[in-house]
Amino acid sequence: EVQLVESGGGLVQPGGSLRLSCAASGFTIDEYAMHWVRQVPGKGLEWVSGISWNSGTTGYVDSVKGRFSISRDNGKNSLYLQMNSMRAEDTALYYCAKNGVKSDDWYFDLWGPGTLVIVSS
Amino acid sequence: DIQMTQSPSTLSASVGDRVTITCRASQSIGSWLAWYQQRPGKPPKLLIYKASTLQTGVPSRFSGSGSGTEFTLTISSLQPDDFATYYCQQYNSYSTFGQGAKLEIK
Repeated sequence: EVQLVESGGGLVQPGGSLRLSCAASGFTIDEYAMHWVRQVPGKGLEWVSGISWNSGTTGYVDSVKGRFSISRDNGKNSLYLQMNSMRAEDTALYYCAKNGVKSDDWYFDLWGPGTLVIVSS
Repeated sequence: DIQMTQSPSTLSASVGDRVTITCRASQSIGSWLAWYQQRPGKPPKLLIYKASTLQTGVPSRFSGSGSGTEFTLTISSLQPDDFATYYCQQYNSYSTFGQGAKLEIK
């Protein structure tokens, strides 16, 4: 079965760090850009970060620049998001998403179920 | 940064109705626009990409149109499964989502 499964979410204090992981199965991620999208429960979607197939290009929403870092390990068929200096406003359900095509068109055709991150003291 | 604005934010309709949701970009994005459907408790599902290309497996009652700064998603005849929240997304410059449009049963 083709799927993405996120892990690593949880409760973290403001200023703390967390590393999210996304494991792909049923396909290989090595030809696709991959992304993180978050959603505050009951609110809308926000693209957080994306990374090209070869890690040559990365992008971040302004609110996480300098604090979050996206990476991938194609050999492990996995995507990661290192989150540092976390803030209450980072509280959300974090989705891993696969690019729809083997190009730089960053739309998403496969999503994981999400992992919940709560930033609170 | 490119901002995406959807309208209406909420709409009420009945099974069989034809509905249209509009998405406007703060600057031209060509045809680099996607539409997603999200049901409660589920991740989003891709419906349309490149403004008007239907994703494989998506029913033909869904259609998209537009280019530049104004885009529409149309559902030709609403089915019970279609009551959900719909998001547009630009991918001309990185990515930005609209705020969503919730489609409710009248």
